[in-house]
Amino acid sequence: GAGVSQSPSNKVTEKGKDVELRCDPISGHTALYWYRQRLGQGLEFLIYFQGNSAPDKSGLPSDRFSAERTGESVSTLTIQRTQQEDSAVYLCASSLGNRRGYGYTFGSGTRLTVV
Amino acid sequence: AQTVTQSQPEMSVQEAETVTLSCTYDTSESNYYLFWYKQPPSRQMILVIRQEAYKQQNATENRFSVNFQKAAKSFSLKISDSQLGDTAMYFCAFPETSGSRLTFGEGTQLTVNP
Repeated sequence: GAGVSQSPSNKVTEKGKDVELRCDPISGHTALYWYRQRLGQGLEFLIYFQGNSAPDKSGLPSDRFSAERTGESVSTLTIQRTQQEDSAVYLCASSLGNRRGYGYTFGSGTRLTVV
Repeated sequence: AQTVTQSQPEMSVQEAETVTLSCTYDTSESNYYLFWYKQPPSRQMILVIRQEAYKQQNATENRFSVNFQKAAKSFSLKISDSQLGDTAMYFCAFPETSGSRLTFGEGTQLTVNP
């Protein structure tokens, strides 16, 4: 597609429920990233996929968080047993590759609210 | 790990004036890239400008330019002829060595007043 697409745009869930967030990267972009942005704060790295390589999961805050990506297409970020501190905007980005000169193209994010 | 510091949480400027946002970073590398991203209320992060460290010439994109001081590890963003649409959060970002992630500063909220 023309840009990075994320769905849903907004999600309100009850504490303890599981949620799935979806990211559809730009076609041809081999690298995909998930970031978390708490209100008024910077971006916190969560996970990175590059082609068929093993993902870099070093930013996932707990084992309640997981993500998958099939090939170079759609990725889903799953949060199990959501907690109130999980409330944030979750941003997805894609890039042509993992060379450092490539900037990211971001989606508009999913605002997750845990009540 | 690299660190990126933006020391100005908030700034404001009058329309048509010039404003400079500051960013400092820490690295032991000699060749790298630096980025400025803009995040308007729509939440979408937009790449504003990038700088390659080995280039001595400061990058420029229309009204946006950088003042890159490699020895001082400083990378400031200058916005000329500020417009209301420039109101946004601005983030300085530095790619990790492996290229697997960008490290972002805490951001500067810029407000352009009419």
